[in-house]
Amino acid sequence: EAGVTQFPSHSVIEKGQTVTLRCDPISGHDNLYWYRRVMGKEIKFLLHFVKESKQDESGMPNNRFLAERTGGTYSTLKVQPAELEDSGVYFCASSFRDRTTYGYTFGSGTRLTVV
Amino acid sequence: AQSVTQLGSHVSVSEGALVLLRCNYSSSVPPYLFWYVQYPNQGLQLLLKYTSAATLVKGINGFEAEFKKSETSFHLTKPSAHMSDAAEYFCAVTLRRSYNTDKLIFGTGTRLQVFP
Repeated sequence: EAGVTQFPSHSVIEKGQTVTLRCDPISGHDNLYWYRRVMGKEIKFLLHFVKESKQDESGMPNNRFLAERTGGTYSTLKVQPAELEDSGVYFCASSFRDRTTYGYTFGSGTRLTVV
Repeated sequence: AQSVTQLGSHVSVSEGALVLLRCNYSSSVPPYLFWYVQYPNQGLQLLLKYTSAATLVKGINGFEAEFKKSETSFHLTKPSAHMSDAAEYFCAVTLRRSYNTDKLIFGTGTRLQVFP
């Protein structure tokens, strides 16, 4: 079984540019989550999809961030325009509906550096 | 509101020594608790989880954790450290039986160093 796949693994962009991160969850996982870790701080929740619907987007920092999950499969997270404080590692995770039994599977993350 | 506190951002042990990584949580309802590990240049890997069954939970790679409600703790232990255990460890909490809100709340992480 393939795991959660994220790409790119690294991205370096200039302030003001646009970046799109992609996450491919495990096949059959309805739940998809985005998290972010800014350097030295805790991993923070951004949002949660159930299939193609946004279940909880309370962690999205501002309207420069746009997440989509068309068709309930892969998801993209777009940052436009990027600011210096957006630098960090962005993690994606997915789970079955019964997430407490099967847990959450995380991807390797995308390290975003805004210069 | 839920929160997680990991005491000690860095822990150093000698190979073969006991590993103890501390995690205290705050939750208004009974929680589910997790420990994740991140090895260099890799993603987060689940070590173990507590979901209201046995309070002593055994995980992968010889790690275990005990849920102590009275102390609101979920400390991670391993009797004998191995060099390969060097990594960053994260404690996390989420609500029970909540489909609408099941985000993980993470601690700030503890980096474990193992010396020969």
